[in-house]
Amino acid sequence: AQTVTQSQPEMSVQEAETVTLSCTYDTSESDYYLFWYKQPPSRQMILVIRQEAYKQQNATENRFSVNFQKAAKSFSLKISDSQLGDAAMYFCAYSTDYGGSQGNLIFGKGTKLSVKP
Amino acid sequence: GAVVSQHPSRVICKSGTSVKIECRSLDFQATTMFWYRQFPKQSLMLMATSNEGSKATYEQGVEKDKFLINHASLTLSTLTVTSAHPEDSSFYICSARTADQPQHFGDGTRLSIL
Repeated sequence: AQTVTQSQPEMSVQEAETVTLSCTYDTSESDYYLFWYKQPPSRQMILVIRQEAYKQQNATENRFSVNFQKAAKSFSLKISDSQLGDAAMYFCAYSTDYGGSQGNLIFGKGTKLSVKP
Repeated sequence: GAVVSQHPSRVICKSGTSVKIECRSLDFQATTMFWYRQFPKQSLMLMATSNEGSKATYEQGVEKDKFLINHASLTLSTLTVTSAHPEDSSFYICSARTADQPQHFGDGTRLSIL
């Protein structure tokens, strides 16, 4: 069975600094998708970034980028120039389907990110 | 972007009552909707997958008779917690998607059973 592990329950970063959130996963599939979701105090889940496993190039969305290491089954999220609004719970997720249409979005336990002014 | 509306955002009710939660895709037709449950400081756990016009597919351990899911149209799915008890208190989140898009999540419903 697929699993997603986030080993950092909490992280803290100074405003304008860079922080990296870790995520590892376990799967026997060769084709799959990885996601990072943000859940602010308002509790709405917001898609931050996604990566297709067959793509070697790391995904980037503005200040957010990933370091995808397929062989190591690692998928870390780097947040550059951290802002106060980045404070939230961050969930790493795995799916064998691009949109998770089969409902098999498997989430990690989350990392709570605090941003210090 | 795609918007998913979930209503109500919060509900408090007495033990034994049934509670209905609505999930609507406001600007797209959702071929599939999902219902998740999230305990405090925990991750999201998938409860069921719902396709329009079909019976929902429940995850192992989720009681079908307890959590009734109806997906009557491409823009609306409902979750009814029947005869709710305090242990059903939780945060319930729905999501919706089309065939080629990632899941878009609602704002969630905090259910408190007294």
